[in-house]
Amino acid sequence: QLQESGPGLVKPWETLSLTCSVAGDSISRASHFWAWVRQTPGKGLEWIGSLFYTGTTNSNASLKSRVSISSATSRTQFFLNLRSVTAADTAIYYCVRHSFSGFDSWGQGTLVIVSS
Amino acid sequence: SYVLTQPPSVSVAPGQTARITCAGNNIGDKSVHWYQQKPGQAPVLAVYDDTDRPSGIPERFSGLNSGTTATLTVGSVEAGDEADYYCQVWDRSSDHWVFGGGTKLTVL
Repeated sequence: QLQESGPGLVKPWETLSLTCSVAGDSISRASHFWAWVRQTPGKGLEWIGSLFYTGTTNSNASLKSRVSISSATSRTQFFLNLRSVTAADTAIYYCVRHSFSGFDSWGQGTLVIVSS
Repeated sequence: SYVLTQPPSVSVAPGQTARITCAGNNIGDKSVHWYQQKPGQAPVLAVYDDTDRPSGIPERFSGLNSGTTATLTVGSVEAGDEADYYCQVWDRSSDHWVFGGGTKLTVL
């Protein structure tokens, strides 16, 4: 099970920081990646980026300069930092486990609103 | 960047078959995954690797992928199938995961 946590309100130009807690699994598994996906209100899904157990990350080119994804040494949490947010970053943010055969386990999602 | 195109909406009567398409350049060369998202819920993987179903997904859900179009078929549609459906691929050339824009399935 995956569970997102973090502030529901972020001011413009500040950094959005979210944590995903992984229960019953470990980020150390070589068989899966750990990702962030967002969904703007009433719109579709957007892949933000993924983390592999080695610490290697890959992120969406449209966000790459503002995104960092990392994991805790406990290997049961991973994090999203999105810098210099604007209203366009208002969305539901999901943490997800995946392989190349799809995104098979999703958190419930957390709504983050960017507003002053 | 790679683009996946889905129809915004598909409507079908209960008991009939719904077909949701996902178009992309040579999509037949890629593995397509499909997600079902009901209102207020996270997406759920419904079909992976073009044709396979995770455990717990009814056999009524099936997928095909060839040429420039992948298709999710929902047979004997029920009211509970009403949801948004998204296709997804891994685009190796850009190292990106790409989602289609989503299709709202309405059960009449």
